[in-house]
Amino acid sequence: EAGVTQFPSHSVIEKGQTVTLRCDPISGHDNLYWYRRVMGKEIKFLLHFVKESKQDESGMPNNRFLAERTGGTYSTLKVQPAELEDSGVYFCASSRIRTGGLYNEQFFGPGTRLTVL
Amino acid sequence: AQSVTQPDIHITVSEGASLELRCNYSYGATPYLFWYVQSPGQGLQLLLKYFSGDTLVQGIKGFEAEFKRSQSSFNLRKPSVHWSDAAEYFCAVGAGAAGNKLTFGGGTRVLVKP
Repeated sequence: EAGVTQFPSHSVIEKGQTVTLRCDPISGHDNLYWYRRVMGKEIKFLLHFVKESKQDESGMPNNRFLAERTGGTYSTLKVQPAELEDSGVYFCASSRIRTGGLYNEQFFGPGTRLTVL
Repeated sequence: AQSVTQPDIHITVSEGASLELRCNYSYGATPYLFWYVQSPGQGLQLLLKYFSGDTLVQGIKGFEAEFKRSQSSFNLRKPSVHWSDAAEYFCAVGAGAAGNKLTFGGGTRVLVKP
């Protein structure tokens, strides 16, 4: 099966511009997560969708970030307007809904490297 | 709030030598613990996980990790490193009802010398 895909792989934009990142989860995975790794720091959780609903968005840094998952398939993460500190690698992950008390592995995409100049 | 510390930012090891990566965590409840690896240009791949039971966990690619509650540690080991093990390794704690929300350490980059 195809893995988690993310587009674009790289994006370079000017401060103040808008950027939209896309994540296509593995087919059948209702859980979708966004994480971010700012240069030199750890990977941090941004938010979690279950199908099209936001289950947990406690990691979203501020209201310049908007995540959507219309129809419960792919997701987009929009940054508007972008600031210098938004530079980093944005990862998407997906997993199946947990059943029977078992943990379902999160499968990660390769990430989108965002550079804000 | 949970946190994860990986004390070693870089480690250089000779091919064929053993490898141990350290991970310490802070979490109030019984943790879900994970090790991920990221090779260049790839996404994070799960090496192994611990939820409960046997504290020595076997993973893929010949890796194992040992959970030590008394030391709040979950160190990753491999007896004999291959050149393909050069990558960045991340320890993580899963929080929430299903361990869904992962908190990562800063990562350890492993360089393998021939």
